[in-house]
Amino acid sequence: DVQMTQSPSSLSVSVGDRVTITCQASQDIRQYLNWYQQKPGKAPKLLISDASKLETGVPSRFSGSGSGTHFTFTISNLQAEDIATYYCQKYDSLPAITFGPGTRLDMK
Amino acid sequence: QVQLVQSGAEVKKPGASVKISCTASGYTFMWFYIHWVRQAPGQGLEWMGVINPPNQSTFFARAFQGRTTLTRDTATSTVHMELSSLTFDDTAVYFCARGPSGAGRGRFEYWGQGTPVTVSS
Repeated sequence: DVQMTQSPSSLSVSVGDRVTITCQASQDIRQYLNWYQQKPGKAPKLLISDASKLETGVPSRFSGSGSGTHFTFTISNLQAEDIATYYCQKYDSLPAITFGPGTRLDMK
Repeated sequence: QVQLVQSGAEVKKPGASVKISCTASGYTFMWFYIHWVRQAPGQGLEWMGVINPPNQSTFFARAFQGRTTLTRDTATSTVHMELSSLTFDDTAVYFCARGPSGAGRGRFEYWGQGTPVTVSS
């Protein structure tokens, strides 16, 4: 099975920061990597699909890149409402769907 | 607009089963896979399984194979997830999510609100 890792597991941030989260796959998953944002008590929200495609309505300060085994998610100019946990997800075919362990952002 | 509405919170005893529903609206129910994901308290997201509504074919993560059943009711555009032989470790919030229209790559664009399940003696 393909394993997904994320780093860091948590990060203390300030408004205006540039935040970078990485996601690593144990095998090549081409560009089939999605990013979700989850706030406490809420369902996850899809932000980026296929490694770099920003979903409709998602602010342009969010971006993603990468392919193969190494992926990056970036928030430029972090806003207070971006405080959440972020998950990467491998979804290239059924039944091989796996989430990364998550990266929790909190305010300094 | 697309909506997935889940049934309410459940409290079950160890060894029992729980059945949660996910009712879809705002799109053609038969066109898209419905997935189930769970999240234990303070933990991450765990994919459980998926159903293809037209033919009720299913796929499951290894951890849930054998004690998870997914069914669909086309009359009400509802998918049911039944988890049996519950243990304390099954205490979690269970989400349904809409996947793509095929078995290839995809994403979870729409999610239900989540159903808390508590396993308690």
